Amino acid sequence: DTAVSQTPKYLVTQMGNDKSIKCEQNLGHDTMYWYKQDSKKFLKIMFSYNNKELIINETVPNRFSPKSPDKAHLNLHINSLELGDSAVYFCASSPDSRNTIYFGEGSWLTVV
Amino acid sequence: GENVEQHPSTLSVQEGDSAVIKCTYSDSASNYFPWYKQELGKRPQLIIDIRSNVGEKKDQRIAVTLNKTAKHFSLHITETQPEDSAVYFCAAVSGSARQLTFGSGTQLTVLP
Repeated sequence: DTAVSQTPKYLVTQMGNDKSIKCEQNLGHDTMYWYKQDSKKFLKIMFSYNNKELIINETVPNRFSPKSPDKAHLNLHINSLELGDSAVYFCASSPDSRNTIYFGEGSWLTVV
Repeated sequence: GENVEQHPSTLSVQEGDSAVIKCTYSDSASNYFPWYKQELGKRPQLIIDIRSNVGEKKDQRIAVTLNKTAKHFSLHITETQPEDSAVYFCAAVSGSARQLTFGSGTQLTVLP
């Protein structure tokens, strides 16, 4: 009964490829996020959606495109992958943007 | 926007000693301050949180204090155990920005 689940957990891919990470939450939360955690452990918000609408879009390359088909899903598509995209990507959700957020298990992306 | 600074970046303590991690925030409108623990290879998980209408909150061996005037909050862990070893993140929710901003993390190592 994973509350926030994301797939795949591990992804190794070559530079220039396009890949997607899927995320689903069964908590009934209205807000979902994507965070990037680099090798120095910094947790940086990338996107935030509330009821399928984009509310936060930090300075992220256009190669990253989130898609929210419904409020329980927030997928992340990455075009033309670069070495610097290697990181752990965490999906998360919260009842609203001012409350506790719950993280998924993370997706380890390695670009070679 | 909100800026959260966290210190120290690394902390080593002997088992049984106390550990204190401190954070400062910039937005005086911030009103929610959670702390997350991230074990190696795992997701960040909420361990304790505090809202701006209280000054202190305790949960067994962990406590958080908040000084709104000085805009800082701290995590206190007493009687540390090896399983407390992890990266700890403070965070603040800015009322205006409607998002959670994380500190840079503290690697806590409890030495047996």
